[in-house]
Amino acid sequence: EAGVAQSPRYKIIEKRQSVAFWCNPISGHATLYWYQQILGQGPKLLIQFQNNGVVDDSQLPKDRFSAERLKGVDSTLKIQPAKLEDSAVYLCASSSQKSRGGGKTEAFFGQGTRLTVV
Amino acid sequence: AQTVTQSQPEMSVQEAETVTLSCTYDTSENNYYLFWYKQPPSRQMILVIRQEAYKQQNATENRFSVNFQKAAKSFSLKISDSQLGDTAMYFCAFMRHDYKLSFGAGTTVTVRA
Repeated sequence: EAGVAQSPRYKIIEKRQSVAFWCNPISGHATLYWYQQILGQGPKLLIQFQNNGVVDDSQLPKDRFSAERLKGVDSTLKIQPAKLEDSAVYLCASSSQKSRGGGKTEAFFGQGTRLTVV
Repeated sequence: AQTVTQSQPEMSVQEAETVTLSCTYDTSENNYYLFWYKQPPSRQMILVIRQEAYKQQNATENRFSVNFQKAAKSFSLKISDSQLGDTAMYFCAFMRHDYKLSFGAGTTVTVRA
């Protein structure tokens, strides 16, 4: 099966500019995650969708970050305006949420988008 | 809130030897999932092994095995017969009932030839 697709792979912007990332999850996966991973650290969850509803966005800086998942499939993450500390890799992942004993529940990850804010 | 702690920032191991990575977690839930993910320098996260909390038997995938101690909230990963391709950052991850997935800070594993 096709994996999680993300674009772009790399992006360089100046501070105060805006940027958007796109994610296409594995077909049929109800759960979609966006993570921020700063170099050398573990991924930090920004937002979790189930279908097109938000399950958790407690760590999303809502004054500058926004995310949507249209029709419960593709998702976009936007930053406006960007700050220097937003430089990181942004990872998208999806999960099938099969019930216990019914199949896989792990999350599958895309290759990520490396954002550099200068 | 769930927290995942990996206390070893870096580990080095000779090729063909064994290395064990530690992970502890904090939760009040009884049913959950635990994972070890590998992130090579190319940065795509890959699942290494998974463990359902309701299963007492420790998971094994080829050279990778876990020691799951539910009461102690401990979930260590053993890599046997280490290979150069095992060089990567390894993350312990916890998935709770609503599928929220939290990661530890990671352990960098370097396999020496």
